[in-house]
Amino acid sequence: EVLLLESGGGLVQPGGYLRLSCVASGFNFRAYSMTWVRQAPGKGLEWVSAINGDGGKTYYADSVKGRFTISRDNSKDTLYLHLNTLRTDDAAVYFCAREQPPYGPNDYWGQGTLVAVSS
Amino acid sequence: EIVLTQSPDTLSVSPGERVTLSCTASHSFWRGYIAWYQHKAGQAPRLLILRTSNRAAGIPDRFSGSGSGTDFTLTIDRLEPEDFAMYYCQFYGVSPWTFGQGTKVEIK
Repeated sequence: EVLLLESGGGLVQPGGYLRLSCVASGFNFRAYSMTWVRQAPGKGLEWVSAINGDGGKTYYADSVKGRFTISRDNSKDTLYLHLNTLRTDDAAVYFCAREQPPYGPNDYWGQGTLVAVSS
Repeated sequence: EIVLTQSPDTLSVSPGERVTLSCTASHSFWRGYIAWYQHKAGQAPRLLILRTSNRAAGIPDRFSGSGSGTDFTLTIDRLEPEDFAMYYCQFYGVSPWTFGQGTKVEIK
């Protein structure tokens, strides 16, 4: 069974930092590209970032480019999202999702982790 | 970037009815694809349709997708109680991937 479990969310002040993690199980993690998607309170889904299987290619939405960094540790079956210089409009539930080869879409999703940004 | 606009924002329907949800792309694209997801509060989104019209594994055949160019559609035949949810279209395959703003299907 494919499982994705996010963690690392919490309350942080504007300008602060968080690292989100997503532990994968039930599939060959290194063979799959992975995605982060977020949902702000009362809003729709927003694609945030993606990374290919070996971590050599990364992609970002304009809204987070230069502030967020996606990475992965295939030895730990874990995906990361480093959130720097957080803003109040970054507050959201952050989901990790697996990409179906070869081009997507996202066939399995985690339950999400909540990031709150407030002073 | 492909901007997706979904309509309507909300659909009020009764169980057993047929609904059609629309997703319009800002411009035609020759690379990339359209997918549809169902999302219920507090749950993980669920992939319904990929490559415009292909049902994902385990999705009932009352869900169908169609479209081309800039206009795409998700149709749900014979709405079941568990089908009341938010529905999102997604452009994928070429970065940046994007989502429509969503359509809420609610019980009349």
